[in-house]
Amino acid sequence: DQQVKQNSPSLSVQEGRISILNCDYTNSMFDYFLWYKKYPAEGPTFLISISSIKDKNEDGRFTVFLNKSAKHLSLHIVPSQPGDSAVYFCAASATRETSYGKLTFGQGTILTVHP
Amino acid sequence: DSGVTQTPKHLITATGQRVTLRCSPRSGDLSVYWYQQSLDQGLQFLIQYYNGEERAKGNILERFSAQQFPDLHSELNLSSLELGDSALYFCASSVTGQMNTEAFFGQGTRLTVV
Repeated sequence: DQQVKQNSPSLSVQEGRISILNCDYTNSMFDYFLWYKKYPAEGPTFLISISSIKDKNEDGRFTVFLNKSAKHLSLHIVPSQPGDSAVYFCAASATRETSYGKLTFGQGTILTVHP
Repeated sequence: DSGVTQTPKHLITATGQRVTLRCSPRSGDLSVYWYQQSLDQGLQFLIQYYNGEERAKGNILERFSAQQFPDLHSELNLSSLELGDSALYFCASSVTGQMNTEAFFGQGTRLTVV
């Protein structure tokens, strides 16, 4: 039962253009969402998050959009840089559940930004 | 460097064996989380400890167990290993019991069962 899905295994973008990574979820109890970035041979690194009371959160070149009715979120990177090339994981949490320490991750999307 | 240390980085062992993975959290962090990432899969939550006590449990097999010691380091024990247990095992730590922006991941232990 894949509660968080990233349907695009990979994405290729030209440097300077926008990268859009998508994520869908099925569990309506999820109320907190995060994006992590992972380089090879390293652990995931937190990138940006959004609470379900918002529909947008921005941090520099990174913006996350949340559409609760569609159970969909997306990460926009503008402008994309070669150093952004990594695996991006979407994750969700149901903070009202007793096991609030748990994050449910998607399968990841490999982003490649070409110079 | 996230400040979370996992040892060993790589581990190759045979089916039926038992291994122990170790995690040292960031200084001051009370909470430790264990995640498993199998091939082409997202990270699957296994278990969380907070200040020595089990806080949350995910899809952790009965063959797997974990504990957090008084010095806050944690160990994940995997026994009666099967080929399907081959995966990357990540540890993360946070100050609070919440797995949010405050959580930091280690580099992972790559376990190969042959």
